[in-house]
Amino acid sequence: KQEVTQIPAALSVPEGENLVLNCSFTDSAIYNLQWFRQDPGKGLTSLLLIQSSQREQTSGRLNASLDKSSGRSTLYIAASQPGDSATYLCAVGSFYGNNRLAFGKGNQVVVIP
Amino acid sequence: SAVISQKPSRDICQRGTSLTIQCQVDSQVTMMFWYRQQPGQSLTLIATANQGSEATYESGFVIDKFPISRPNLTFSTLTVSNMSPEDSSIYLCSVGAGGWEGHNEQFFGPGTRLTVL
Repeated sequence: KQEVTQIPAALSVPEGENLVLNCSFTDSAIYNLQWFRQDPGKGLTSLLLIQSSQREQTSGRLNASLDKSSGRSTLYIAASQPGDSATYLCAVGSFYGNNRLAFGKGNQVVVIP
Repeated sequence: SAVISQKPSRDICQRGTSLTIQCQVDSQVTMMFWYRQQPGQSLTLIATANQGSEATYESGFVIDKFPISRPNLTFSTLTVSNMSPEDSSIYLCSVGAGGWEGHNEQFFGPGTRLTVL
């Protein structure tokens, strides 16, 4: 069974600092990995999708890397803003699972103005 | 991408009753997924709903407790039956869009926040 761990569980940073969020997974037989953002009481917003053959994906201030062999992904958010305050979830798509995702518990981020 | 809506957005229910949650997608998809997010926890897959066949349930979830309908390629319902306070959660539906449907980007609805008293 795929286990997904996100560290740190929670962090606070001053506005303007770069954010580094870590995700690790136990089974490297993945098809893809997806990062989501969740605001309190809300659904999930897809941020980045990385296919297993890719090393990284970028969208604006966001960059996600993937090291499948070591079971790790990192989400970088450059020049953080108060609007970046949210919970960030890492989800791993199993190679055998037909889009069934295994989620971590999330990184809860607060950006202090 | 895919745009997903859910009804109701939230509800407060009494123990022993049932609630049906609706999920509507703006495009035709073969697979729809239902997840549960208990307070302070991450998302857990309940079942995969394919149009024209019975839903496939994950370990720990059964059809009698969480019956699912999938009448067409854009709509699905999840019923939470004989509710107890332990069923208080956010319930989310999701679909994949773009690329091969078996392994593509997942999009989620806004969720249904259920509180059982």
